[in-house]
Amino acid sequence: AQSVTQLDSHVSVSEGTPVLLRCNYSSSYSPSLFWYVQHPNKGLQLLLKYTSAATLVKGINGFEAEFKKSETSFHLTKPSAHMSDAAEYFCVVSDDGATNKLIFGTGTLLAVQP
Amino acid sequence: GAGVSQSPRYKVTKRGQDVALRCDPISGHVSLYWYRQALGQGPEFLTYFNYEAQQDKSGLPNDRFSAERPEGSISTLTIQRTEQRDSAMYRCASSSFSSTDTQYFGPGTRLTVL
Repeated sequence: AQSVTQLDSHVSVSEGTPVLLRCNYSSSYSPSLFWYVQHPNKGLQLLLKYTSAATLVKGINGFEAEFKKSETSFHLTKPSAHMSDAAEYFCVVSDDGATNKLIFGTGTLLAVQP
Repeated sequence: GAGVSQSPRYKVTKRGQDVALRCDPISGHVSLYWYRQALGQGPEFLTYFNYEAQQDKSGLPNDRFSAERPEGSISTLTIQRTEQRDSAMYRCASSSFSSTDTQYFGPGTRLTVL
């Protein structure tokens, strides 16, 4: 069965410094992987999606993620954090069955200090 | 264009009452998903529709939970005889025929059972 593990429940960075949010996945095949962001009192927004075309995926707001099969990782990065990046981030894998249901990690809360 | 909408945004009910949560997907999206998100957790799959057909209801926790999508557009998630443990954020998502694994989420309905 597919699963994702987000290694940090909380990450705090200073504005202007790099962001690294870690995610490891478990899948019996080549998975579809996603990062979603959830701002306070807002819905879930798709940041980026990996579907085996290219291992480095660029998303919105300057975020990107690299798929590393050998490490079963899909870490999210951004070169320079902005105050508006403060939110909860979810690493997600798509189920390999017919439904494409999404399996979410437990989330990483990103705080950005001025 | 308009995104996924859900109503009500907030629902407070007393234990034992029935509630109905509505989801209006993105126009033309054939697939519709319901998820439940407990506080501090990632969303968990409840059920899935393709057009009007309920394809997978394996995530519904018990028979008090049901969902329908009679005309292949708007969907209703109904919880009968609510219990305090049903309190959560209920999220709806939809996806298109051409990109079934990319789901777009609505703002959610926050259900509180007193």
